[in-house]
Amino acid sequence: DAKTTQPPSMDCAEGRAANLPCNHSTISGNEYVYWYRQIHSQGPQYIIHGLKNNETNEMASLIITEDRKSSTLILPHATLRDTAVYYCIVRVHNTDKLIFGTGTRLQVFP
Amino acid sequence: DTAVSQTPKYLVTQMGNDKSIKCEQNLGHDTMYWYKQDSKKFLKIMFSYNNKELIINETVPNRFSPKSPDKAHLNLHINSLELGDSAVYFCASSQAGGTGELFFGEGSRLTVL
Repeated sequence: DAKTTQPPSMDCAEGRAANLPCNHSTISGNEYVYWYRQIHSQGPQYIIHGLKNNETNEMASLIITEDRKSSTLILPHATLRDTAVYYCIVRVHNTDKLIFGTGTRLQVFP
Repeated sequence: DTAVSQTPKYLVTQMGNDKSIKCEQNLGHDTMYWYKQDSKKFLKIMFSYNNKELIINETVPNRFSPKSPDKAHLNLHINSLELGDSAVYFCASSQAGGTGELFFGEGSRLTVL
């Protein structure tokens, strides 16, 4: 079973920041937080991951709370092409299971 | 170049038939997976292979038989297809000891009539 909870859906205006929350209150000390997204009819795409420090790459930023019980994925300037289902996953680094929950359906509107 | 490629992309068949879906990755990864996404959009892991050896089998019926001829290929053979097997099947690969990032194929949509 997925160990994360996310809101089922969110809206965001194009050009604005999209902040997607995720709760993982039972996360273990050796578990990383991963984010993937699935654009309609495509395979899931890796976005970013982190352990306890905030992370940033060319796609997004990941903010993890100090107690590690929740995190937020930030898309700084959302575009229409960012419309997708976003999955927050906790996973022990280098193990093989990636367990997807129900995700958040992000709709970016013009 | 497609990193993880699956064939066929679409497959329509009758109940009771046997079918295969092929997957190839050109990333040099040593771990490959099959995931199933049903009509409710739940993505579930089915199998994982590392260097041609099965390491995860998530209580999948034995009508499903993965085969890994080499570490770049993981094929999925399904016997005696049932209506409930209709889904999109995704292949993925990753590098053990790496960042843990999985690279997914574009999916194979199987429809059983």
